[in-house]
Amino acid sequence: EVQLVESGGGLIQPGGSLRLSCAASGFTLSSYWMHWVRQDPGKGLVWVSRIDTDESSTNYADSVKGRFTISRDNAKNTLYLQMNSLRAEDSAVYYCVRGYIGLDVWGQGTTVTVSS
Amino acid sequence: DIQMTQSPSSLSASVGDRVTITCRASQVIRNDLGWYQQKPGKAPKRLIYAASSLQSGVPSRFSGSASGTEFTLTISSLQPEDFATYYCLQHSSYPWTFGQGTKVEIK
Repeated sequence: EVQLVESGGGLIQPGGSLRLSCAASGFTLSSYWMHWVRQDPGKGLVWVSRIDTDESSTNYADSVKGRFTISRDNAKNTLYLQMNSLRAEDSAVYYCVRGYIGLDVWGQGTTVTVSS
Repeated sequence: DIQMTQSPSSLSASVGDRVTITCRASQVIRNDLGWYQQKPGKAPKRLIYAASSLQSGVPSRFSGSASGTEFTLTISSLQPEDFATYYCLQHSSYPWTFGQGTKVEIK
């Protein structure tokens, strides 16, 4: 079964850092581009970042550019999102998503709350 | 950035009704559009890819179509399990953008 499991979310103070992880199973991670998408509480979906298969290319939403870094370890079947200089408006559920003709398989999400 | 204008933002419908949701792109996006269903507390699930292709395992009452920059999701006969929020996503150019969502509620 194809599965994505996020971890690493939690409560963090403004200005702090957090690293999200996404463990992939049931497919070969190295064959797919991967994405992060977030959803503010009670709000819509926002695409955050994307990485290609060998980390040679990445893209970011303007709202996180320069603060967030997407990376991957194909040997460990794991995707990461390093989030620095966190702000209250970064509070959201973060989803790890496999890229295939858009976004196909989604993880269950991990919640990040930025608050003092 | 490409804006995706989704309408309506909400609708009330009865079981058995035909439901139509529309997304209009601010630029040409070819058929680089997907439709997603999200139930409360759950991750989104893809229903349609490439504007009109049905995702494996998704009931055939769901269909997608495109005309220029206007995209439509149709549920031919609404079932109780279809009450949810629906989103479109354009993946033609970065940043990828979602529509604002359509909440389908029980009348």
